[in-house]
Amino acid sequence: AQSVTQPDIHITVSEGASLELRCNYSYGATPYLFWYVQSPGQGLQLLLKYFSGDTLVQGIKGFEAEFKRSQSSFNLRKPSVHWSDAAEYFCAGDISSGSARQLTFGSGTQLTVLP
Amino acid sequence: EAQVTQNPRYLITVTGKKLTVTCSQNMNHEYMSWYRQDPGLGLRQIYYSMNVEVTDKGDVPEGYKVSRKEKRNFPLILESPSPNQTSLYFCASSPGLAGGHGTDTQYFGPGTRLTVL
Repeated sequence: AQSVTQPDIHITVSEGASLELRCNYSYGATPYLFWYVQSPGQGLQLLLKYFSGDTLVQGIKGFEAEFKRSQSSFNLRKPSVHWSDAAEYFCAGDISSGSARQLTFGSGTQLTVLP
Repeated sequence: EAQVTQNPRYLITVTGKKLTVTCSQNMNHEYMSWYRQDPGLGLRQIYYSMNVEVTDKGDVPEGYKVSRKEKRNFPLILESPSPNQTSLYFCASSPGLAGGHGTDTQYFGPGTRLTVL
């Protein structure tokens, strides 16, 4: 079955350290891919998205993600994490087939930032 | 302000008592969707609508109904709620299909926390 997988349930980093959150998808064609962030008690906010073209995508709050077709991955990165980045991060993809247009989410990665 | 609103934000009910969670967007978006969020499972799509009078099942539609009689509103109906529908529910809207093919950026409401006793 087509799916979006986030292998890391919880990641802890120190403030100022670099961050990489992993996302893998299974789909025959190139999916439309997204990263969303959910702060405690809040809805989801889009960080960035990939549809086509340049495989390195820049987003808000200093985040970027790289689409790698050979690895079926769309990992999220940030060079220097701030305490305010502590949140839950969701990778999502439109991996629908035919006329259906569904967004499939990964199970999320909870990020803790240590002072 | 462009936004997606949901009501109520919190709801505690009992098994079998019909309820409706409303969702409204003021961005003239064609695409609307409902998700439920459960710990360890991420967000799972319940139903979506690509336009007025067009709705389709998502991954977990059992026990839910929706309608899309007008563009801005997309209510979620639980005809006979059960405890396994206790969850956090999100409504989202999107301008349509990106490039005519795939789901575009979704704008989420603040969520409705539902408890079914």
